[in-house]
Amino acid sequence: GAGVSQTPSNKVTEKGKYVELRCDPISGHTALYWYRQSLGQGPEFLIYFQGTGAADDSGLPNDRFFAVRPEGSVSTLKIQRTERGDSAVYLCASSPSGAGANVLTFGAGSRLTVL
Amino acid sequence: DQQVKQNSPSLSVQEGRISILNCDYTNSMFDYFLWYKKYPAEGPTFLISISSIKDKNEDGRFTVFLNKSAKHLSLHIVPSQPGDSAVYFCAASAGKTGANNLFFGTGTRLTVIP
Repeated sequence: GAGVSQTPSNKVTEKGKYVELRCDPISGHTALYWYRQSLGQGPEFLIYFQGTGAADDSGLPNDRFFAVRPEGSVSTLKIQRTERGDSAVYLCASSPSGAGANVLTFGAGSRLTVL
Repeated sequence: DQQVKQNSPSLSVQEGRISILNCDYTNSMFDYFLWYKKYPAEGPTFLISISSIKDKNEDGRFTVFLNKSAKHLSLHIVPSQPGDSAVYFCAASAGKTGANNLFFGTGTRLTVIP
């Protein structure tokens, strides 16, 4: 596609529920990143994929968070047993071949609200 | 612990004047710095960057200055235009330029008044 597409744009859920957030990167971009932006904060790194594999998942806060990219294109961020502190905007970005941060293209984000 | 700090949450500037956005960092290992711009309901977009081997980088109306001894960088926009109104994020990385080790500041909301 023309840009990075993220769905849903808004998600409201109850504490304890399971949530999936989807990212469709720019066609041909092999690197894909998930960031999380909490209220009043800057984006924080969660996980980085190069192709199908997670090259760096050091930013995932705990084992309730998991992400996959089975075919090296679309990625899904999965959050189990959601907590109110998970409320944030989840940003996805892609770039060609894991190139520098100056060529990242971000999506508009998925705003998650956990009640 | 916030390693990249933007202490001014907001800034208002008259159209045509200079906008100066500031950023401080604490990690002396950071060697690459970037500014991103974010409009409402959109993702951040890359604006300009600077390597630690330089102290200035200019791109059109945008100039970034780096003071390594003070661990401080600034973004100058001149002349400011109403379309520059957005949230500006400073970001830094250490050792490589991949986006998996970017540390962002909390952002400064710039409003350019026509």
